[in-house]
Amino acid sequence: QLQLQESGPGLVKPWGTLSLTCTVSGGSISTTSYYWGWIRQPPGKGLEWIGSVYYSGSTYYNPSLKSRVTISVDTSKKQFSLELSSVTAADTAVYYCARDGRYSGYQVAIYTFDKWGQGTLVTVSS
Amino acid sequence: QSALTQPPSASGSPGQSVTISCTGTSSDVGGYNYVSWYQQYPGKAPKLMIYEVIKRPSGVPDRFSGSKSGNTASLTVSGLQAEDEADYYCSSYAGSNNYVFGTGTKVTVL
Repeated sequence: QLQLQESGPGLVKPWGTLSLTCTVSGGSISTTSYYWGWIRQPPGKGLEWIGSVYYSGSTYYNPSLKSRVTISVDTSKKQFSLELSSVTAADTAVYYCARDGRYSGYQVAIYTFDKWGQGTLVTVSS
Repeated sequence: QSALTQPPSASGSPGQSVTISCTGTSSDVGGYNYVSWYQQYPGKAPKLMIYEVIKRPSGVPDRFSGSKSGNTASLTVSGLQAEDEADYYCSSYAGSNNYVFGTGTKVTVL
């Protein structure tokens, strides 16, 4: 079955760039019905959508983070990546990658994150 | 966009029902039938429980049901069980290819 796994540094210095990668296994990343998204959760707080990418490279970003976020995809490696620049302590969070249903299809849940990675904690600190 | 409003906590005894509300605006919850609900245990990733307001993914017990009226969506857990004790988050499509999540509700089984 489809699995997603986040990877990347757990510690980033203030004003640096946070970089994470999500590897998709057990299924295709090049499916026409799905985008691939990033969601974060600060310790003890709620979820926040960061942005999503299509296998073609098309992206959508949360307007509140858009100026600092870049999400890209590498279909040959079945990976998609997140870069968040100029980070501060407020960006400390567990970062999740997830499958984002966008287009109608057989058993596709629309505008929903139906498969999630386990999450990875990124701490912003000097 | 602002986070959707959920009550911080809800509780019920085993076998009872508990309903969690998720209040947004006409630009998100009220404007689209794309409300989802997620269950999250401490230290774990969220799990999809309800999508498109009322639909259940395969494997989710039918004790979980969703509904919507105006700008408020609801998740009802019937026949509450100890394993239902968790945090629950709603989310909604918010137009222009954006999403917004709820503030989260901690459900306690008494």
